[in-house]
Amino acid sequence: GQQLNQSPQSMFIQEGEDVSMNCTSSSIFNTWLWYKQDPGEGPVLLIALYKAGELTSNGRLTAQFGITRKDSFLNISASIPSDVGIYFCAGQTPSNTGKLIFGQGTTLQVKP
Amino acid sequence: DTAVSQTPKYLVTQMGNDKSIKCEQNLGHDTMYWYKQDSKKFLKIMFSYNNKELIINETVPNRFSPKSPDKAHLNLHINSLELGDSAVYFCASSQEGLAGVSGELFFGEGSRLTVL
Repeated sequence: GQQLNQSPQSMFIQEGEDVSMNCTSSSIFNTWLWYKQDPGEGPVLLIALYKAGELTSNGRLTAQFGITRKDSFLNISASIPSDVGIYFCAGQTPSNTGKLIFGQGTTLQVKP
Repeated sequence: DTAVSQTPKYLVTQMGNDKSIKCEQNLGHDTMYWYKQDSKKFLKIMFSYNNKELIINETVPNRFSPKSPDKAHLNLHINSLELGDSAVYFCASSQEGLAGVSGELFFGEGSRLTVL
């Protein structure tokens, strides 16, 4: 089945640094979403993207839907300790709407 | 009020037992899901229901039987539990519009199942 390759798998950064993570697929996606999961909690939606080329911001977070429709990235600027968590990309293909496929996750740790 | 609530949050049981996890959403959404998160944090869809009707059954062993008594509830019953069933099970819901599926899921806090 379709797979999303998310990288990096983990990051350990200093507070104040910018972070970038991305997701790629061999299939075309018509929706890209980015979720964050805190320990002991369920994932929470950060940003949703619905058009190729779309660039959307949510506070210090910025995400883009790749022009090829096969990739997306998430940037976090000026990281703070509460950014710690697991970030997941997720998407839907045109032939499988209703079925959200998740990437493997990027574990982010921020050193104060 | 919690939007998507699951019970129990923790479940420890022996192999071969049968157990159930309950889920309720108060968001008025039409679609509910069960996802499984394994020890490597990989999230995989198991089932989805739209207005009590099964929409997605993602090649899950038939020991897993979802039941949706109404659109606000989706329960998961697991028979003859196996070691490999140990995972965190997440319930989620979404409101799908006329334009199609938004993909915006609201997750519960998860139910951590440990099979000994």
